[in-house]
Amino acid sequence: KAGVTQTPRYLIKTRGQQVTLSCSPISGHRSVSWYQQTPGQGLQFLFEYFSETQRNKGNFPGRFSGRQFSNSRSEMNVSTLELGDSALYLCASSAWTEGNTIYFGEGSWLTVV
Amino acid sequence: KQEVTQIPAALSVPEGENLVLNCSFTDSAIYNLQWFRQDPGKGLTSLLLIQSSQREQTSGRLNASLDKSSGRSTLYIAASQPGDSATYLCAVKGGNYGQNFVFGPGTRLSVLP
Repeated sequence: KAGVTQTPRYLIKTRGQQVTLSCSPISGHRSVSWYQQTPGQGLQFLFEYFSETQRNKGNFPGRFSGRQFSNSRSEMNVSTLELGDSALYLCASSAWTEGNTIYFGEGSWLTVV
Repeated sequence: KQEVTQIPAALSVPEGENLVLNCSFTDSAIYNLQWFRQDPGKGLTSLLLIQSSQREQTSGRLNASLDKSSGRSTLYIAASQPGDSATYLCAVKGGNYGQNFVFGPGTRLSVLP
């Protein structure tokens, strides 16, 4: 079956703009989580959604938000972009029927200029 | 808060060697621990998941062990190959400070032909 799909793969934005990233989980997976990866901070948890409800949230400012739709697809939004938001944004999905193993997408590379 | 460390930060070995990567975590009240590999510019690939009640998991040339009481996990790679070159990350889920995955900084492995 298809893996986790993230779009777009690469994008460049200007400071102050906003961006929306999309994630389609593995079929049947209802849990979707988002992570930010940077060389300096490593992989940091942003938030997790399950059945359209945010279940956990990491320590990021309110400019970072997300949502999940009834088909389990998820989006994350970053408003008022800053240079420091440049990162690889990774989405992962999981299902308790698979022992909660998490599977990652290829990520969305965001560059803020 | 949960903190995850990995030793060594980087490792370079000749092809054919057996090697051990180490992961330590500060809060032993975890649900599970997962090992991943990440190739440059790519997302994470799940290697092994160990539930908190388990001591080890094996997949092919990989064996991961978990000692919750001491807050340690090891990933053993047998008969290393150049294709094993990647960054290996461990992540723990759960604990007294949150239910999300917390990642280590990774070990960058180079297997020389």
